[in-house]
Amino acid sequence: EVQVVQSGEEVKKTGESLKISCKVSGHSFTDKWIGWVRQKPGKGLEWMGVIYSTDSDTRYSPSFQGQVTFSADTSIDTAFLHWSDLRASDTGFYYCATTDRIGGAWTHWGQGSLLTVSS
Amino acid sequence: QSILTQPPSVSAASGQSVTISCSGSSSNIGSYYVSWYKHLPGTAPKLIIFENRRRPSGIPDRLSGSKSGTSASLHISGLQIEDEADYYCESWDTRLGTGVFGGGTSLTVL
Repeated sequence: EVQVVQSGEEVKKTGESLKISCKVSGHSFTDKWIGWVRQKPGKGLEWMGVIYSTDSDTRYSPSFQGQVTFSADTSIDTAFLHWSDLRASDTGFYYCATTDRIGGAWTHWGQGSLLTVSS
Repeated sequence: QSILTQPPSVSAASGQSVTISCSGSSSNIGSYYVSWYKHLPGTAPKLIIFENRRRPSGIPDRLSGSKSGTSASLHISGLQIEDEADYYCESWDTRLGTGVFGGGTSLTVL
């Protein structure tokens, strides 16, 4: 059974850095695209972008370009989402998901990581 | 404002049917498959329709999807209370180079 497990809740201050994780088990991590999705309080799902696990090819949605960084470590079957300078507007739930190909359905999702950023 | 357009909310009585629409453009729905996800905030979204009309294992056939041109729709028949959730359409956008979601539709079963 495929499982996608994300790191837990985080409470941070503005200006701090953070890296959250997304570990995939139950199927091969390689040759998978990992997507990151944000949900701000009371709002809908937003695509942040994607990363290809095998060569770390990344595509960022325009709204998130320069704001976050994706990475992947195939030795531990884990993808990461990194902020270097958190803002209060980064508060929300963050989900990761996997697919076999660009344009394909996102079949397996993590449980979400709640981030709260305050000043 | 979302790239894909969905109605903010729909409602219908238990046992009845609803259809949720999703409107896009030639750079997304017109060029790629559409998927649909059921979501309860704070939990993992769940894939319910992929490749416009296919259902993953375990999804009942009272859920169905369709696509025509640059629009898609999700139809749920025989509504049950457990169908109450937010529903999102999703596709890939060739112009943006990433995925795109609809704004989400909140389904209420009366």
